[in-house]
Amino acid sequence: QSALTQPASVSGSPGQSITISCTGTSSDVGSYNFVSWYQQHPGKAPKLMIYEGSKRPSGVSNRFSGSKSGNTASLTISGLQAEDEADFYCCSYAGISGIVFGTGTKVTVL
Amino acid sequence: QVQLQESGPGLVKPSETLSLTCTVSGGSISIYYWNWIRQPPGKGLEWIGYIYNSGSTDYNPSLKSRVTISLDTSKNQFSLKLTSVTAADTAIYYCARLPPAYGYGAMDVWGKGTTVTVSS
Repeated sequence: QSALTQPASVSGSPGQSITISCTGTSSDVGSYNFVSWYQQHPGKAPKLMIYEGSKRPSGVSNRFSGSKSGNTASLTISGLQAEDEADFYCCSYAGISGIVFGTGTKVTVL
Repeated sequence: QVQLQESGPGLVKPSETLSLTCTVSGGSISIYYWNWIRQPPGKGLEWIGYIYNSGSTDYNPSLKSRVTISLDTSKNQFSLKLTSVTAADTAIYYCARLPPAYGYGAMDVWGKGTTVTVSS
């Protein structure tokens, strides 16, 4: 069970949009509509931002959006704000392998 | 508001068994999948496994031979046991709730995490 691949870091200026990719395989991201995204601030527990690829839990800003194409899922943050600076992890159901997380992406607001 | 709280020893000796408990307050332990996830210092998240309220379990294949997750509905708790630990098992351990309505992998409530160090 290999971790999903994410870029180590992504940065943007306030107000800009950024996109984080999450590349898996046909055994996980490509086969199921069960991709979720988590935001983790330093010293804190992860927070669910997106589930089932593109759905937002109650209370999550609509500046966060998710999508998927083939074996790659993406998280887009629009109108970047200082408070968005954090680590982001994707996650996918992987059938008999259970659940697999991505390698993580550090988002920096310039 | 549902809250999760991890508890257990912060220090475990190599080759021994790591045991942690997650207490669920403010809600029922029924209906959901209850997960354990860990994060080694400075590294990413790793799913350990989950238990459903029926008692069925699923584990990370890389840890399956060493992991047992159990449920105590009378105490609104679920537990993790990891045997034959090594320094590589040093991590922050989180418990988390997964609602079936959110699809597999979507954990909506997390504990604050507890740090476990494996050292003699």
